[in-house]
Amino acid sequence: DIQLTQSPSFLSASVGDRVTITCRASQGITTYLAWYQQKPGKAPKVLIYAASILQSGVPSRFSGSGSGTEFTLRIDGLQPEDFATYSCQQLHSYPHTFGQGTTLEIK
Amino acid sequence: EVQLEQSGAEVRKPGEFLKISCQGSGFRFGSSWIGWVRQMPGKGLEWMGIIYCGDSDTRYNPSVQGQVTMSADKSSSTAFLQWDSLQASDTAIYYCAKLRGHNYDHFEYWGQGTLITVSS
Repeated sequence: DIQLTQSPSFLSASVGDRVTITCRASQGITTYLAWYQQKPGKAPKVLIYAASILQSGVPSRFSGSGSGTEFTLRIDGLQPEDFATYSCQQLHSYPHTFGQGTTLEIK
Repeated sequence: EVQLEQSGAEVRKPGEFLKISCQGSGFRFGSSWIGWVRQMPGKGLEWMGIIYCGDSDTRYNPSVQGQVTMSADKSSSTAFLQWDSLQASDTAIYYCAKLRGHNYDHFEYWGQGTLITVSS
């Protein structure tokens, strides 16, 4: 199985900050990567797919980049509603594994 | 509007049978891939597998293969996840989700989740 390791696992930030979350794959996955946001008690929601394509309806402050084994999710100008858990998922090989998640908390 | 409506929370004992459901609407169910994702208490997301609702072609995560069965009924636009013998370790929230397109696509739409509690 392809392992995805996210860093950091926990992140404290303030409204207005820029934050970056990294997702590293144990082997190359080209751009077969998606990012999800999950709020407590809610289902995940896709933000980014194909590593860098913004899902329709997702604010432009979210962006994704990377290919191969290293990927980043960036949020420019954190908003109160962005404090949540973020997970990456690889879609290159079965099983389509998720990273362990990054919890973004208000500082 | 695409919607996935999951069945309600369940409390079961170890060894019992359980089948939960995920009813889709607003899209061509028979031409869609539906997946299942497990989230154990306080933990991350785990991809369990996907099923093509047209012909029930499935891809299971080896970690759950043989432990669960995925199925789909086109006539009712419903996907199912079944356990023949539950274990306490099956306690989790289970989400169904529709893939955007093909079987290497991301989960574009999600159900609300079904909480399964297995306890003696």
